[in-house]
Amino acid sequence: ETGVTQTPRHLVMGMTNKKSLKCEQHLGHNAMYWYKQSAKKPLELMFVYSLEERVENNSVPSRFSPECPNSSHLFLHLHTLQPEDSALYLCASSPRDRASTGELFFGEGSRLTVL
Amino acid sequence: GDSVTQMEGPVTLSEEAFLTINCTYTATGYPSLFWYVQYPGEGLQLLLKATKADDKGSNKGFEATYRKETTSFHLEKGSVQVSDSAVYFCALAVTSGSRLTFGEGTQLTVNP
Repeated sequence: ETGVTQTPRHLVMGMTNKKSLKCEQHLGHNAMYWYKQSAKKPLELMFVYSLEERVENNSVPSRFSPECPNSSHLFLHLHTLQPEDSALYLCASSPRDRASTGELFFGEGSRLTVL
Repeated sequence: GDSVTQMEGPVTLSEEAFLTINCTYTATGYPSLFWYVQYPGEGLQLLLKATKADDKGSNKGFEATYRKETTSFHLEKGSVQVSDSAVYFCALAVTSGSRLTFGEGTQLTVNP
């Protein structure tokens, strides 16, 4: 139990569907992240939120839409995805203060399959 | 920019063998260094960390020493078990809130 919970753990969707991934952290952190992990590729940082404000968007296609309603919750809204978007989507959180060593706390991931 | 280079995998060992996974880094400033482990079907978990030169991080029999002179943070374990089979990621973060930079990961398989 890392204190970061992701749901659903597995999701299968068609290219015309709309779905959302949810992440919740109980660690009192004020920064949250979405990473994409594809087979045989490095971890890709998608989005960073600090104090509920998006501070980084690494050229992610608009079919991925993040939302951070408060410091404990992070969503990734998905629509009209492509088969190449199939991957493990990892959420992470961290404290964003001078005491931070940069360590991230990860959830267990949401395995997405796009048909 | 900051970067992490890990030993290419996959690595396959027999149970009780000695493990080394090499990791070198390039960074501006004085980073904190991390090893994360990802077991099959799971997210990443912090395995160990070191925040300054000559620090040794250790956990579950794994060790890594922060070597500033060689810019390295090699992961070692004296006797691996089948349950250590996983993907291992080396990572760095320059302090003051900058984001983590990951290596590409090294797949380890331990056979009985």
